[in-house]
Amino acid sequence: LAKTTQPISMDSYEGQEVNITCSHNNIATNDYITWYQQFPSQGPRFIIQGYKTKVTNEVASLFIPADRKSSTLSLPRVSLSDTAVYYCLVQLSGGYNKLIFGAGTRLAVHP
Amino acid sequence: NAGVTQTPKFRILKIGQSMTLQCTQDMNHNYMYWYRQDPGMGLKLIYYSVGAGITDKGEVPNGYNVSRSTTEDFPLRLELAAPSQTSVYFCASSYLAGVQETQYFGPGTRLLVL
Repeated sequence: LAKTTQPISMDSYEGQEVNITCSHNNIATNDYITWYQQFPSQGPRFIIQGYKTKVTNEVASLFIPADRKSSTLSLPRVSLSDTAVYYCLVQLSGGYNKLIFGAGTRLAVHP
Repeated sequence: NAGVTQTPKFRILKIGQSMTLQCTQDMNHNYMYWYRQDPGMGLKLIYYSVGAGITDKGEVPNGYNVSRSTTEDFPLRLELAAPSQTSVYFCASSYLAGVQETQYFGPGTRLLVL
């Protein structure tokens, strides 16, 4: 599976939009991109998943350019409760996945 | 629907002791996983199962064993606890929706080996 690279940490303020970019240069044709969120002392929680272009749900948007070598997680109008670690993963479609978690991006939202 | 539950929440073990970490899911998922997470790090896969009676090693299986006798339960066994096994352990389960898989994680078990 393709290795992912994302910033170690980011800071933001309440009400701002936060964009976290993930690089996955070696993504394969059958791979798709998934983002998980982890709060302290909790297990990761699925946020959003996509293959190409744009995906939006009630929590976030995921932008994937045509070459699919990167993706951007967009969190609109963050609040203090969005302070967490965000993981970008590449998964193989059509079967179970042995997820490879990197260190993730630590997002700190300030008042 | 409780999702994925794990017991205990926290445990202190002495070196050489053994214990079983329990994991149960009530979503009828076929796939189940055990991960460990060391401080400040991402999760590493220990073992996984694609169905009852079927298990396989992940990235860091040494020192652990698993079994999967039912769809719901996937216990993780530590036979001879070592300080290197101090970590937070997460169990997860998943299903396939079309071609995409989503994993659901339990709350974790914090283990300290002294």
